[in-house]
Amino acid sequence: QQQVKQSPQSLIVQKGGISIINCAYENTAFDYFPWYQQFPGKGPALLIAIRPDVSEKKEGRFTISFNKSAKQFSLHIMDSQPGDSATYFCAATDSWGKLQFGAGTQVVVTP
Amino acid sequence: GAVVSQHPSWVICKSGTSVKIECRSLDFQATTMFWYRQFPKQSLMLMATSNEGSKATYEQGVEKDKFLINHASLTLSTLTVTSAHPEDSSFYICSARWQSNQPQHFGDGTRLSIL
Repeated sequence: QQQVKQSPQSLIVQKGGISIINCAYENTAFDYFPWYQQFPGKGPALLIAIRPDVSEKKEGRFTISFNKSAKQFSLHIMDSQPGDSATYFCAATDSWGKLQFGAGTQVVVTP
Repeated sequence: GAVVSQHPSWVICKSGTSVKIECRSLDFQATTMFWYRQFPKQSLMLMATSNEGSKATYEQGVEKDKFLINHASLTLSTLTVTSAHPEDSSFYICSARWQSNQPQHFGDGTRLSIL
């Protein structure tokens, strides 16, 4: 049972456009929400993360928006580039310190 | 910083053999390491959590006698797939973290193919 629900499953965006990936959770004990980027044949790389006391965090072209009351968070990739084509996973850390991953979103940025 | 190295990156072996995968934290001490399994186009599935000097804690449904985990030092954990069979073929990924309030950093995975 997926404790973190992620959508969409895949996304095609033109170069320069905005990619938006959404995640939702139920467990209010989750206290850390990272996003990972994974290229084929590689392990996931930490992209950006947020804690529930913050509503937004921006690092370069990547922004996390966090809505604690709705138990939702999203990743926005601004000015998407072909090099951003990858699979993105949202995740949440439970009270045991384990990561609960979303199902992943395959993002394709067309030239 | 926070580099995790995994070795080997790819291994092919015959059914019935045992395979050992190493996971090293290169520039930090990892009190906890995690082992995941990932099938094509799917998410990461946690197999087990290992704390340095302690026995690993396995997730439900993961055979601990099949997947032996050792975390003997603060920079090294190993996963041994014993008597591997074709259904064990998968992408195995480790991660490591320094403290419980720190993020997990992942290795580049090991693609295991059992013939």
